[in-house]
Amino acid sequence: DAMVIQNPRYQVTQFGKPVTLSCSQTLNHNVMYWYQQKSSQAPKLLFHYYDKDFNNEADTPDNFQSRRPNTSFCFLDIRSPGLGDAAMYLCATSRVFAGMSNQPQHFGDGTRLSIL
Amino acid sequence: SQQGEEDPQALSIQEGENATMNCSYKTSINNLQWYRQNSGRGLVHLILIRSNEREKHSGRLRVTLDTSKKSSSLLITASRAADTASYFCATEVKKGIGSRLTFGEGTQLTVNP
Repeated sequence: DAMVIQNPRYQVTQFGKPVTLSCSQTLNHNVMYWYQQKSSQAPKLLFHYYDKDFNNEADTPDNFQSRRPNTSFCFLDIRSPGLGDAAMYLCATSRVFAGMSNQPQHFGDGTRLSIL
Repeated sequence: SQQGEEDPQALSIQEGENATMNCSYKTSINNLQWYRQNSGRGLVHLILIRSNEREKHSGRLRVTLDTSKKSSSLLITASRAADTASYFCATEVKKGIGSRLTFGEGTQLTVNP
């Protein structure tokens, strides 16, 4: 089945130690998104790739970066995680035509990041 | 200001009853979408209603959209214990060459067997 896969499901890292979360998709969608979701809160968009074009949200901390080496894969890098970065990180994909979507986003099951 | 506010924050009902969740937003939108999230899992898309549509059905789900009031509702009929989850509305607006979703804070639905 076509899907969005996130690895690992659970990640533990130390305060200040860089960590990378990965996302892959078999949907061949041109847009990939990274969201941060803290407990009992709404998912918050960090950034997205429209094809190879990177789009950062204005309030996304510089500590968060992303790479998309090809259509199928996207990575979230947290350079120096702080305690406040503990959250669920969700990857999603969608197909966008001519700048307009009207298509749903397809989510992975997320990576829950803990900071020691 | 927050785009997409939902009420109630939590809803507890008995199996077989209907559940209604409401969502309000502030700006013009392309469409409004509803998602479900089971505990510890990703979001699952339920239904999308475009800004020029007023009502949409999918199985036991009914969504309405009132753009004049900037509000939407999700009705789940004949609820089941398996419907227990968080439900989020999300508004899509155009941004640059693409678009973005902004999620509401969600409604936690508990369906008691």
